[in-house]
Amino acid sequence: AQSVTQLDSQVPVFEEAPVELRCNYSSSVSVYLFWYVQYPNQGLQLLLKYLSGSTLVKGINGFEAEFNKSQTSFHLRKPSVHISDTAEYFCAVNHGSSNTGKLIFGQGTTLQVKP
Amino acid sequence: EAGVAQSPRYKIIEKRQSVAFWCNPISGHATLYWYQQILGQGPKLLIQFQNNGVVDDSQLPKDRFSAERLKGVDSTLKIQPAKLEDSAVYLCASSLDATDTQYFGPGTRLTVL
Repeated sequence: AQSVTQLDSQVPVFEEAPVELRCNYSSSVSVYLFWYVQYPNQGLQLLLKYLSGSTLVKGINGFEAEFNKSQTSFHLRKPSVHISDTAEYFCAVNHGSSNTGKLIFGQGTTLQVKP
Repeated sequence: EAGVAQSPRYKIIEKRQSVAFWCNPISGHATLYWYQQILGQGPKLLIQFQNNGVVDDSQLPKDRFSAERLKGVDSTLKIQPAKLEDSAVYLCASSLDATDTQYFGPGTRLTVL
């Protein structure tokens, strides 16, 4: 069965600094990987997704992630963060061997951007 | 384009009472999802609909939770009777089909006292 582990519960960082949010997955079949962002009192919004093809995926708001099959990781990165990036970030994997829509989410990482 | 609408936004009930949540997906979206998000955790899928049929309800506690999407558009999620551990945010999401991006509503925050 698939599972997702987000290695950091909180990541504090200063504005304009780079950031990496770590995500590891466990799966014995093909994976489809996602990063979502949740701003306070809002629903989740898709940042980016990996379905196939290039292992470097670019998303919205300047975020990117790299799929690493050998390390079973899908870490999220941004070269320079803004105060407005303060939010909860969730990594997710699709359950099963095809893209069925059934997502398994990690526990989330709180990104705290300080001025 | 209007997003996914949910109501109410907040609900406080006592244990053993019943409660219902409503979701209106984005127009034209065939797939609808209900998630439960307990504080400090990621969302957990409760049920997935394709039009008005259930695709997956393997994680829905069927002894107390029920959901329907009668006309393949709006959906309701009901809890009867509620337990303390049901306190959570209930998120509704929709997508064009199961392989497409899921769009989430703002959620309903349920507190069971």
